[in-house]
Amino acid sequence: EAGVTQSPTHLIKTRGQQVTLRCSPISGHTSVYWYQQALGLGLQFLLWYDEGEERNRGNFPPRFSGRQFPNYSSELNVNALELEDSALYLCASSLRTSGRAWADTQYFGPGTRLTVL
Amino acid sequence: AQRVTQPEKLLSVFKGAPVELKCNYSYSGSPELFWYVQYSRQRLQLLLRHISRESIKGFTADLNKGETSFHLKKPFAQEEDSAMYYCALSGVTQGGSEKLVFGKGTKLTVNP
Repeated sequence: EAGVTQSPTHLIKTRGQQVTLRCSPISGHTSVYWYQQALGLGLQFLLWYDEGEERNRGNFPPRFSGRQFPNYSSELNVNALELEDSALYLCASSLRTSGRAWADTQYFGPGTRLTVL
Repeated sequence: AQRVTQPEKLLSVFKGAPVELKCNYSYSGSPELFWYVQYSRQRLQLLLRHISRESIKGFTADLNKGETSFHLKKPFAQEEDSAMYYCALSGVTQGGSEKLVFGKGTKLTVNP
């Protein structure tokens, strides 16, 4: 069974630009989560999508947004890039079996490494 | 506010020695706690969660509500346990939404 896939693997952008990251969940999984792993800050929750709807959002500014498509794949968009957006962006998917998002096991992708110059 | 603290950024032990990775949390409600692991060149993956009360790869973790801790333990460390370990907490905020908060991680090195 194919795992969670993310594209691109690496990305270099300059300040002020916009970027779109993509994630394909494991087949049958309806929930997609996005995380930012910045150096020294650990892993921080960004967004959670389930059945095409945004269910929860972490403490990030509105220039971080995303969506989930009918096939459950997802995009993360970051506008007006800042230097501190440089990080590894991880996507995870899960099969919703319980009422609480994080009670379900999440399966992580390999990440997209974003560098903002 | 929910907070997870992993006081040790780095932890080094010898093979066969006991290992304990510390995790302390701050949360006023009833939390769900997890340990995630990332081996070198591999993806982040769930190691165990407190509600399952299971032992995975010889690791166990007990939720101590009195000490607000969820330390990860293994009696005899193996070289293949070398990895980055993250403690995470899931809880409901005052506004009613769920949040998942991760600690900053502990890098465990098991020396031969």
